[in-house]
Amino acid sequence: QKEVEQNSGPLSVPEGAIASLNCTYSDRGSQSFFWYRQYSGKSPELIMFIYSNGDKEDGRFTAQLNKASQYVSLLIRDSQPSDSATYLCAVRTGANNLFFGTGTRLTVIP
Amino acid sequence: GAVVSQHPSRVICKSGTSVKIECRSLDFQATTMFWYRQFPKQSLMLMATSNEGSKATYEQGVEKDKFLINHASLTLSTLTVTSAHPEDSSFYICSARPGRNTGELFFGEGSRLTVL
Repeated sequence: QKEVEQNSGPLSVPEGAIASLNCTYSDRGSQSFFWYRQYSGKSPELIMFIYSNGDKEDGRFTAQLNKASQYVSLLIRDSQPSDSATYLCAVRTGANNLFFGTGTRLTVIP
Repeated sequence: GAVVSQHPSRVICKSGTSVKIECRSLDFQATTMFWYRQFPKQSLMLMATSNEGSKATYEQGVEKDKFLINHASLTLSTLTVTSAHPEDSSFYICSARPGRNTGELFFGEGSRLTVL
């Protein structure tokens, strides 16, 4: 079983819609959860991190964490074509171990 | 956010040669840096953890004699791919975080290695 699982997509949403990206993880001891955006040929850039159960909002982005279900999601409101990228979910289980999912490719259609 | 710089961004080399990639934390000190590799359409795979002043910790399956890591200062780690072969062609990304055991990870721009 993979440490971190994501639907590879592609996920297509029209401009202005809400994009919902999901991620599950296997280690119940996981402590920190991150969402990175990666454009083709570029390195990942951090969008959000979340440590506690519930929602965390930052602009158009909302991260949701449910530790009981071992589930973390990212919502992107008012999606823009510039949001088209691969979104990587990352989970930290120890001091240094950061596991990445394979990423979900998002396409926002103008 | 914190800035991590990586150089070179692209390198093409002949099979059998060695290639060095540098990773620098520009505005913070990093006692620990991480080296990842990403093949096309795959996720980032941690290769090794680079520790300032001590030996790197390699992940299972990563050859330490092939991928030499040196973390000589608090702001610089280098990865040398020795005797590179075409199957080593990949996107190599370094990362670091300002904090110790918490805090987000910041990535360098990545280095795309192509071995002919």
